[in-house]
Amino acid sequence: AQTVTQSQPEMSVQEAETVTLSCTYDTSENNYYLFWYKQPPSRQMILVIRQEAYKQQNATENRFSVNFQKAAKSFSLKISDSQLGDTAMYFCAFMSYTSGTYKYIFGTGTRLKVLA
Amino acid sequence: DAGVIQSPRHEVTEMGQEVTLRCKPISGHDYLFWYRQTMMRGLELLIYFNNNVPIDDSGMPEDRFSAKMPNASFSTLKIQPSEPRDSAVYFCASSFAQGRTGELFFGEGSRLTVL
Repeated sequence: AQTVTQSQPEMSVQEAETVTLSCTYDTSENNYYLFWYKQPPSRQMILVIRQEAYKQQNATENRFSVNFQKAAKSFSLKISDSQLGDTAMYFCAFMSYTSGTYKYIFGTGTRLKVLA
Repeated sequence: DAGVIQSPRHEVTEMGQEVTLRCKPISGHDYLFWYRQTMMRGLELLIYFNNNVPIDDSGMPEDRFSAKMPNASFSTLKIQPSEPRDSAVYFCASSFAQGRTGELFFGEGSRLTVL
């Protein structure tokens, strides 16, 4: 069975600094997707960044980038130039889609606080 | 599009009462998911539908929980009878499989408090 582990329940970072959130996963599948979702205090979950497992190049979205290590089953999120609006809960997620069946598993989340 | 719409945003009820949570997915999306979020257990997948058909309900905690999707634009999650341990935030999310992005679009959630 697939599992997603986020070992950092809480983290803090100074505004304008860089922070890295860790995520590891376990799967025997070869084709899958990985995601980071952000849940601000307003509660609605939004996608931050996604990575297809078959792509070696790490995904980037503006200040957000990932370090995807497929062999190590590691998928960390780096936030550069942290802003107060980045304060949120961040969830790592694994998804595979085979023959019409979804597997979509979330980690337990990392609460990030950006300090002024 | 208005996004995934859930109602009610907040529900406070007494133990034993029936609770119905509602969800309107994004038009054109063919997958709908119900998640429960608690501090202790994080995000748990309860059930998901594909083209209005339940595909996997193995996450539904017990028979007190039921979910339906009578059409492509509406789903309900019902708890009867409710218990204090059902207190949580319930999220609905939808997805478009053919888009192959895998992104889930979440509603704002329904916070349920059972006294």
